[in-house]
Amino acid sequence: DQQVKQNSPSLSVQEGRISILNCDYTNSMFDYFLWYKKYPAEGPTFLISISSIKDKNEDGRFTVFLNKSAKHLSLHIVPSQPGDSAVYFCAASAISAGGTSYGKLTFGQGTILTVHP
Amino acid sequence: EAGVAQSPRYKIIEKRQSVAFWCNPISGHATLYWYQQILGQGPKLLIQFQNNGVVDDSQLPKDRFSAERLKGVDSTLKIQPAKLEDSAVYLCASSLHAGVSNQPQHFGDGTRLSIL
Repeated sequence: DQQVKQNSPSLSVQEGRISILNCDYTNSMFDYFLWYKKYPAEGPTFLISISSIKDKNEDGRFTVFLNKSAKHLSLHIVPSQPGDSAVYFCAASAISAGGTSYGKLTFGQGTILTVHP
Repeated sequence: EAGVAQSPRYKIIEKRQSVAFWCNPISGHATLYWYQQILGQGPKLLIQFQNNGVVDDSQLPKDRFSAERLKGVDSTLKIQPAKLEDSAVYLCASSLHAGVSNQPQHFGDGTRLSIL
């Protein structure tokens, strides 16, 4: 049961243009969403997150949008740079029963972003 | 701030052998996670510790996998005996405290395990 899905295995964009990476989820209990970037032979690096009480969070060139009714989130990178080329993972967590978040992350399969000079 | 440290970086063993991985989280981080990442997939949680107590080990194959965090700091993950399907990258992550507010997890570079 894939609760977090990234349906695009890969994305190719030109340097300076916008990169849009998409993520869908099925579990309505998810209330915290994160994006991680991963280079080969390295661990995932935290990029940006958003709580379910917001619909947008911005950090420099990175913006995450959350559409709770559609159970969809997206990561926008503007402008894209060759150094952004990596695998991007979407992840989500849910507050467990009793109101305590245990922080367990459920990851999507990842999208390989290639930014061409 | 030093990141999450993991060793070894690579390990090659034959099936039915045993193997152990070590993780030292970021200083002061109470919560420690072990993930398994199979090629082409996202990381999957194996076990989560809060200090030295297990919070979630529902996806840990307990017949062959074990993990401990005896003093609430560093942790070891062991596989005995290994199977071919255990070939994966084993990632350790830590966060300040997962109990109150959402905080990002910070990952080490992982141990790539190959089973022959």
